[in-house]
Amino acid sequence: GAVVSQHPSRVICKSGTSVKIECRSLDFQATTMFWYRQFPKQSLMLMATSNEGSKATYEQGVEKDKFLINHASLTLSTLTVTSAHPEDSSFYICTVQGLFRGTDTQYFGPGTRLTVL
Amino acid sequence: QKEVEQNSGPLSVPEGAIASLNCTYSDRGSQSFFWYRQYSGKSPELIMSIYSNGDKEDGRFTAQLNKASQYVSLLIRDSQPSDSATYLCAVKFTNAGKSTFGDGTTLTVKP
Repeated sequence: GAVVSQHPSRVICKSGTSVKIECRSLDFQATTMFWYRQFPKQSLMLMATSNEGSKATYEQGVEKDKFLINHASLTLSTLTVTSAHPEDSSFYICTVQGLFRGTDTQYFGPGTRLTVL
Repeated sequence: QKEVEQNSGPLSVPEGAIASLNCTYSDRGSQSFFWYRQYSGKSPELIMSIYSNGDKEDGRFTAQLNKASQYVSLLIRDSQPSDSATYLCAVKFTNAGKSTFGDGTTLTVKP
């Protein structure tokens, strides 16, 4: 399966600061990446679809000006949480969509745990 | 009605037993179906994918798909304590589209 990395794996920041999370596809070129958020003991929530070379598509209720997504290359997408607040503390996970063994599958990155003090 | 529904559990089975996890979906045109396993504090990992009606086996795991009844299930044979995790069902309407996830079923395998 695809190898997907995320950096950092864990970040603690003060309220009001911005945090950038990187998602890299290590072994194939990904035209589409997805960003999810998961609060403790809750289900995955899709935030946005990141398309290489174009603007991200945000899900309803997700503030695009707060969660900036850039998909600058076929192997890198970044999520920037701007002016983070404690309620933004969550587990942020990217996924890479690609063709493996002839089928289209999503593979998850290891996630980034954000804690905003 | 949620697009993808799973029993939240917890589901508890003894070691060595068969664990059966079920998932129903609302969009009859869905094309691709996936099972993910998520350990506490970790990211989900793909276990199985299934695209056509019937059974698909991979080691101790068997995925079953019934498009007419709009359900997909996951059987885990010879359950081990290491199988204790939350299992997420995911459905895609098109192969290249986004996945819709269920809320997950928590499985506990007791030694």
